[in-house]
Amino acid sequence: GDSVTQMEGPVTLSEEAFLTINCTYTATGYPSLFWYVQYPGEGLQLLLKATKADDKGSNKGFEATYRKETTSFHLEKGSVQVSDSAVYFCALRTSGTYKYIFGTGTRLKVLA
Amino acid sequence: EAGVTQSPTHLIKTRGQQATLRCSPISGHTSVYWYQQALGLGLQFLLWYDEGEERNRGNFPPRFSGRQFPNYSSELNVNALELEDSALYLCASSPDRGGISEQYFGPGTRLTVT
Repeated sequence: GDSVTQMEGPVTLSEEAFLTINCTYTATGYPSLFWYVQYPGEGLQLLLKATKADDKGSNKGFEATYRKETTSFHLEKGSVQVSDSAVYFCALRTSGTYKYIFGTGTRLKVLA
Repeated sequence: EAGVTQSPTHLIKTRGQQATLRCSPISGHTSVYWYQQALGLGLQFLLWYDEGEERNRGNFPPRFSGRQFPNYSSELNVNALELEDSALYLCASSPDRGGISEQYFGPGTRLTVT
């Protein structure tokens, strides 16, 4: 069935380090892909999305490219800040049935 | 603009009881989604309502049910509570069917079953 696999955390980085959080998916058809962020004590917020192959989503310095050939949607940021500390969820929305499937989340901790 | 609201914030029940969780979507949003966020398991899709009808449900037993009211608010009911139902329950709303637009999440209801 459809699924999302993302790297386990926690990921601990120093401020200004490069961030990559891996996400791969299994889905039939042409799903849409999302990254959500959950800051401490808050609900989930959409960070970025891509709706078709080769699309690049970007927001707040974060980027992810929809790679159909590798079924991946890795999240990257060139220089992380302490304020980026949060849990990041990769998700897909299946085509046709519009069901959302989330990964287990990756906790990022950025140290000053 | 008010965001998605959920009540109560916390709910403590004993095994076998019923729990009712409520969600008010953003004004103008017709789709409401429910998710269970159990520790270490990420978000599991529970239910999707749109225009008052259940459009899809995840792999949960029938004791998880809900409804959507004419004002698009929604209720999630969990009957015959089990210890493993303890989790954060998140509601999200979307302005269109199928969630073509992004989902906006509420802060969640923390359900504890003892």
